[in-house]
Amino acid sequence: DIVMTQSPLSLPVTPGEPASFSCRSSQRLVYTNGHNYLNWYVQKPGQSPQLLMYLVSNRASGVPDRFSGSGSGTDFTLKISRVEAEDVGIYYCMQAVETPITFGQGTRLEIK
Amino acid sequence: EVLLVESGGSLVQPGGSLRLSCATSGFTFHNYAMSWVRQAPETGLEWVSSITGDGSGAYYADSVRGRFTISRDTSQSTVYLQMNTLRAEDTAIYYCAKDGPYYYDPSGYSFPEYYFDLWGQGTRVIVSA
Repeated sequence: DIVMTQSPLSLPVTPGEPASFSCRSSQRLVYTNGHNYLNWYVQKPGQSPQLLMYLVSNRASGVPDRFSGSGSGTDFTLKISRVEAEDVGIYYCMQAVETPITFGQGTRLEIK
Repeated sequence: EVLLVESGGSLVQPGGSLRLSCATSGFTFHNYAMSWVRQAPETGLEWVSSITGDGSGAYYADSVRGRFTISRDTSQSTVYLQMNTLRAEDTAIYYCAKDGPYYYDPSGYSFPEYYFDLWGQGTRVIVSA
């Protein structure tokens, strides 16, 4: 199984400051079509998870452009250019290049 | 509006069975793969199972293979998860998730890319004596 490792586990950030989330996979996530099958989700307090970024760098519908995704192969990053209070939650990366689909353990974003 | 509404979760004894349902609306059901993802108390997300849009392909986590069965009914726009021989470690909130559009390669071959662009509100399953 592909192991997804996220860091840090906790990320305290002052509003208006940037945030960066790291996700590393134990195997390359690129498929034969050239797509890297790495997605990001956020689970806000008391809510279901929601898609933030798919295929590394494509923002899901309604996601503000403060969010950006990058990376390829085994190293991936999600960035928030300016954190807002509403961004509080747990951020998960997920690989879908092969089954079993696996998630990282999550990074909790907290507001200072 | 695209909606996913799960139901069927409850308290069940170890060894028992449950069938979860996910009723959908607002999109062309048979064009999208569907999945189940669970979240045990105070833990992260665990993929459970996925099924292709036409129902021809079903995939399972090792932890549930042989005990759980995913299926879908196009006439009802509903996906199901039949859970048998339940264990305490199956206790979790079970989320239904819709996939994004299929990928089509230049030859016309298509497959789901399994990014879950919409999630339901979840249904709680508790396995306990």
